[in-house]
Amino acid sequence: AQSVAQPEDQVNVAEGNPLTVKCTYSVSGNPYLFWYVQYPNRGLQFLLKYITGDNLVKGSYGFEAEFNKSQTSFHLKKPSALVSDSALYFCAVRARSGGYNKLIFGAGTRLAVHP
Amino acid sequence: KAGVTQTPRYLIKTRGQQVTLSCSPISGHRSVSWYQQTPGQGLQFLFEYFSETQRNKGNFPGRFSGRQFSNSRSEMNVSTLELGDSALYLCASSEGSDTQYFGPGTRLTVL
Repeated sequence: AQSVAQPEDQVNVAEGNPLTVKCTYSVSGNPYLFWYVQYPNRGLQFLLKYITGDNLVKGSYGFEAEFNKSQTSFHLKKPSALVSDSALYFCAVRARSGGYNKLIFGAGTRLAVHP
Repeated sequence: KAGVTQTPRYLIKTRGQQVTLSCSPISGHRSVSWYQQTPGQGLQFLFEYFSETQRNKGNFPGRFSGRQFSNSRSEMNVSTLELGDSALYLCASSEGSDTQYFGPGTRLTVL
C-alpha cells in the first residue's frame, strides 16, 4: 500500500535561515512525488514534482526538493525562509502505474517562519 | 488560463439532506479528481473522472458519488448527509496523468 509520512507536525524557522520540511514515502515501483502548499482558507497550490531525472528538483518561490531513492525521501528545502512562507505543506505520492491520478497525501507540516 | 473553479464556496446543510458540489477544470484538462480534507483524516482521495468515466475510486461509502460532463465539468453528490461529512471538498484537474491543480474548495458544514 502507498503511504506518505511527514514526521513533523510543525517546523519553526527564523526568517533568513534555511528550511527543511521532511517527507518519506512508500510505494511499489518508482513514484511520482509532489509538494503542495496550503494557505488559510485556500486550496492546494502546486510547488514542485519529481518524475524522473535529476534528483534535485527546483520549483516555485525558491523551493527545491531532493529525491533520495535509497532513503525513500523527498525533503522540501529553501535556502532562505520568508515570513510569507508560513503555511501548511503537503507531500504527496502517486504510483506510476494503475494509480492514475490518485494522490496519497501526508498529514501535512505547518511551517512557521518568525521575523 | 483561468484556474480550477468550485461552486459554491460555502454550504451549510442539515443531517439527512443531500448536496451537490460543482467543479470546472482548467480549460483543456480532461481529468478531474475530488478530495476530502478534514482535521482528523487529512486529505483523502474520493474519485477521479476522465473523459466522463470514473477511472479510480477511494474508500468512501456509496453516499458519495460523482459524474463528469462532456465539457469536463464535474459534480459530486453526497446523499443522506452525516455530521462527519463536514469538510473542505477539493477538486483538482490535470491533463491526463500529470500535475493536478487544485481549486479553492467548497467548505461543507453539516448541522
